[in-house]
Amino acid sequence: EAGVAQSPRYKIIEKRQSVAFWCNPISGHATLYWYQQILGQGPKLLIQFQNNGVVDDSQLPKDRFSAERLKGVDSTLKIQPAKLEDSAVYLCASSLEVYEQYFGPGTRLTVT
Amino acid sequence: AQSVTQLGSHVSVSEGALVLLRCNYSSSVPPYLFWYVQYPNQGLQLLLKYTTGATLVKGINGFEAEFKKSETSFHLTKPSAHMSDAAEYFCAVIEGGFKTIFGAGTRLFVKA
Repeated sequence: EAGVAQSPRYKIIEKRQSVAFWCNPISGHATLYWYQQILGQGPKLLIQFQNNGVVDDSQLPKDRFSAERLKGVDSTLKIQPAKLEDSAVYLCASSLEVYEQYFGPGTRLTVT
Repeated sequence: AQSVTQLGSHVSVSEGALVLLRCNYSSSVPPYLFWYVQYPNQGLQLLLKYTTGATLVKGINGFEAEFKKSETSFHLTKPSAHMSDAAEYFCAVIEGGFKTIFGAGTRLFVKA
């Protein structure tokens, strides 16, 4: 069974630029999550999708972050414009049920 | 809101020694509790979970954890550490029935 795929693995941008991350969940997993993991901290949920719909986006900075999940499968997370404090690893996860999430390898974003 | 506290950001043990990683949670309702492991440059992997039933939970790679309601704890143990156990470990709790809250993590070092 293929795991959660993410791309790119690494990205370096300057502040005020925009960036997008892509996630392909495990086939059949209805729930998809985006987490932000700042160095030295645990992952923080940014947004959770159930199929096409948003279950929770209470910690998503909506003035600069956006996410979509087309056709209930792939998802993209965008930051525009980026700030220095957005430097982090962005993790995508998927699950059949909330008790067992499968994580992708993450995208390491550096904002200079 | 629920929270998770992991005592000790770094733990160092000798190979073959007992591993004990501490986790305390705050919850007003019976919690669902998890331990995840993260190896360098990889996503998180579920080690074990407690949802209902037996309070001593066995996971992968010889790890186990015990849910103690009276102590609001879910400590992770392994009788004999191996070099390959060196990684970062995250305790997590489910909030609101669907949202996972992670602790800050504990980095485990294993000395030869």
